[in-house]
Amino acid sequence: QKEVEQNSGPLSVPEGAIASLNCTYSDRGSQSFFWYRQYSGKSPELIMSIYSNGDKEDGRFTAQLNKASQYVSLLIRDSQPSDSATYLCAGDYNQGGKLIFGQGTELSVKP
Amino acid sequence: EAGVTQFPSHSVIEKGQTVTLRCDPISGHDNLYWYRRVMGKEIKFLLHFVKESKQDESGMPNNRFLAERTGGTYSTLKVQPAELEDSGVYFCASSRYRGGNQPQHFGDGTRLSIL
Repeated sequence: QKEVEQNSGPLSVPEGAIASLNCTYSDRGSQSFFWYRQYSGKSPELIMSIYSNGDKEDGRFTAQLNKASQYVSLLIRDSQPSDSATYLCAGDYNQGGKLIFGQGTELSVKP
Repeated sequence: EAGVTQFPSHSVIEKGQTVTLRCDPISGHDNLYWYRRVMGKEIKFLLHFVKESKQDESGMPNNRFLAERTGGTYSTLKVQPAELEDSGVYFCASSRYRGGNQPQHFGDGTRLSIL
């Protein structure tokens, strides 16, 4: 069983819609979670971090964490074509700095 | 501030040769991490430096891989001898502090192709 799982997609949404990206994890030792956005050939870019149960909002992005269900999600409101990228979910294994990544979800926002 | 920089961006070598990858972390970041993504797989952790010390090298695949961070600044990752399965993208990341809530900033990666 993979430690962090994501639906690889591709996920296609129309411009202006809400994109919902999901991630589940198996290691209860992971307490901190990160969402990275990666354009092809570029570095993963941190867009959200979340450490506590509940929602965290930053502009058009909302991260949700449910530790009981071992579930992390990222909502992107008013999706733009420039949001088209691969979104990587990562958990910090045992709070030591070692990130465990999912395979990433490819998002395509159609004009 | 300058981001994490990696050299080279792309390297093509033959099986059995040696390759050295370099990473310059963000200035002032004591924590430096190496990760690797092989085709079709997720990004996987290789090791973690705190300054010049190896904090966690549990992800290093075998003894053909040698990572160093002399002086606690830049780091190198040497593969000797390279094998076909070493092909992939090698990412470096850095963070100022260690700990679960410390975001890691990534470089663009080195794409390594073994022929």
